[in-house]
Amino acid sequence: DIQMTQSPSSVSASVGDRVTITCRASQGISNWLAWYQQKPGKAPKLLIYAASSLQSGVPSRFSGSGSGTDFTLTISSLQPEDFATYYCQQANSFPQFTFGPGTKVNVK
Amino acid sequence: QLQLQESGPGLVKPSETLSLTCTVSGGSISSSSYYWDWIRQPPGKGLEWIGSIYYSGNTYYNPSLKSRVTISVDTSKHQFSLKLSSVTAADTAVYYCASYYYASGSFDYWGQGTLVTVSP
Repeated sequence: DIQMTQSPSSVSASVGDRVTITCRASQGISNWLAWYQQKPGKAPKLLIYAASSLQSGVPSRFSGSGSGTDFTLTISSLQPEDFATYYCQQANSFPQFTFGPGTKVNVK
Repeated sequence: QLQLQESGPGLVKPSETLSLTCTVSGGSISSSSYYWDWIRQPPGKGLEWIGSIYYSGNTYYNPSLKSRVTISVDTSKHQFSLKLSSVTAADTAVYYCASYYYASGSFDYWGQGTLVTVSP
């Protein structure tokens, strides 16, 4: 099984800050990685797929990078609506999928 | 664009079977590009993939739940369904249906989620 870890588990930031979240896979997953944003009481929303491709309609302040085992999600300038929990998800072991444990972005 | 909507009981007794249905609109459940998935999230916790079905009926399950899960599809009704047997309190969660787009390796559309509580 491929295990996913994320760091940090939570981060406190202010509007305008640059925020970086890391996701690590227990074995190489090429670029089969997606990022989701989830707000309380809502379903997750796809932000990034294939490690670095921006989903249609997602603001360009979100970007993803990485390949193999190490990946990052960057929010270049945090906006008020970006306070949420972020999850990574691997699809290399299709049709088996695993999610990371999540990173909560809090108000500083 | 695709829209997915879960339906089913919000309360299930321990040892019984949880049953949920997801109705797909705005696109074809018989699309060769998509798999149809169930994902759950216990209160205050992370996301757990339950299983997936292709329109042809091929199914794939999380090994940790495989002995208790059945996913089926009814293309004529544009629906797919989840059955989880022998539930316990640990199965209390928000259950989401989602579409998996094979080419992108991601879940691009999600239902709003439905809370299922396991309690006597």
